[in-house]
Amino acid sequence: DAGITQSPRYKITETGRQVTLMCHQTWSHSYMFWYRQDLGHGLRLIYYSAAADITDKGEVPDGYVVSRSKTENFPLTLESATRSQTSVYFCASRDPTGRTGTDTQYFGPGTRLTVL
Amino acid sequence: AQKITQTQPGMFVQEKEAVTLDCTYDTSDPSYGLFWYKQPSSGEMIFLIYQGSYDQQNATEGRYSLNFQKARKSANLVISASQLGDSAMYFCAMSDAPNFNKFYFGSGTKLNVKP
Repeated sequence: DAGITQSPRYKITETGRQVTLMCHQTWSHSYMFWYRQDLGHGLRLIYYSAAADITDKGEVPDGYVVSRSKTENFPLTLESATRSQTSVYFCASRDPTGRTGTDTQYFGPGTRLTVL
Repeated sequence: AQKITQTQPGMFVQEKEAVTLDCTYDTSDPSYGLFWYKQPSSGEMIFLIYQGSYDQQNATEGRYSLNFQKARKSANLVISASQLGDSAMYFCAMSDAPNFNKFYFGSGTKLNVKP
């Protein structure tokens, strides 16, 4: 029961490079989300997806691109990385039919990205 | 305006005692959900407890309970009989209309449990 996995777990890149963070879930949840976590800000929503080929912006989408060609995968791409994008990135999926019957989101282990 | 406010950056509690972590929220919609997550030093986000705005009873999950005071717009997390493994960051979050997919997180409270 893998749940949500993220890769890589750690990534160092340079300013201006493109980098893609991967997210894979085995639950077949229709909704998936990308957050970034910075000190003092908690988690902030970058993008989310309601289903394959359906995506929408969150609170801080600038500088990021997402795609969702398959239900189980939701990659996040930084097209030209900047130092301000140094952060911990979390992927999540929503369980609409889960135990609580609510819109609870379940998170992956996170990717720590450093942009030099 | 901030949707979720956690005013305690850090707290200490003695092992086996109870502790309350504060959370206030801001929404004008009558339908919303409130969540608490735990983030240990290993970094993962662990779902703890949920409270719906229409729920009549306070939510409970084992040693966790949510003290929901709707008129005051507060959703405090109570941990009973603290354990050393409870030392972690705790985040309060909310989802509301029109888009319940958008979670708003507070800045978190760092809880340290002392032996």
